[in-house]
Amino acid sequence: GAVVSQHPSRVICKSGTSVKIECRSLDFQATTMFWYRQFPKQSLMLMATSNEGSKATYEQGVEKDKFLINHASLTLSTLTVTSAHPEDSSFYICSATDGSYEQYFGPGTRLTVT
Amino acid sequence: RKEVEQDPGPFNVPEGATVAFNCTYSNSASQSFFWYRQDCRKEPKLLMSVYSSGNEDGRFTAQLNRASQYISLLIRDSKLSDSATYLCVVNKDNFNKFYFGSGTKLNVKP
Repeated sequence: GAVVSQHPSRVICKSGTSVKIECRSLDFQATTMFWYRQFPKQSLMLMATSNEGSKATYEQGVEKDKFLINHASLTLSTLTVTSAHPEDSSFYICSATDGSYEQYFGPGTRLTVT
Repeated sequence: RKEVEQDPGPFNVPEGATVAFNCTYSNSASQSFFWYRQDCRKEPKLLMSVYSSGNEDGRFTAQLNRASQYISLLIRDSKLSDSATYLCVVNKDNFNKFYFGSGTKLNVKP
């Protein structure tokens, strides 16, 4: 099956710093990538939809200036959490689709902001 | 109102039991429906798609009721390894938006 990787898998940073998370589709070209956030015991919440070469579409309530998304190629999307605060601590998961109905999820990145 | 709603559970069942989950969705224009499985601290994995005619994959059966706007998942002969959170996922806009339910937790006990 299709493989999506995320890096890093776990990161701890200090409040006020920025963190970049990479999402790569390893064996297919991802026409669309999605970024989700999941708080403990809650479901995945879609943050934004990213298409290669165009600006990401953010869900209501998600600050685009705080969560910067770059989808520079068909195999790579990045999410940068700027000026991170403890309330940004969460599990961030990306997924990618090749245009079919199935999403392929990355293994997630656990962010802890101290 | 949430796009997708599920009973969070947990459903605690013995091995070998049959268990069913339901999920309701609010938007009648929703086009595609899926069940995903998520193990603790892991990413979701596709379990099965849900078709109007219903579909079965081994011990798992999924059904869609468009009139009442719900989908269901039936698990027969539960195994310990079925313990996980089951996420109902609904899609609209030609796969550009996927909405997840909050998940139903299943614990299968020996």
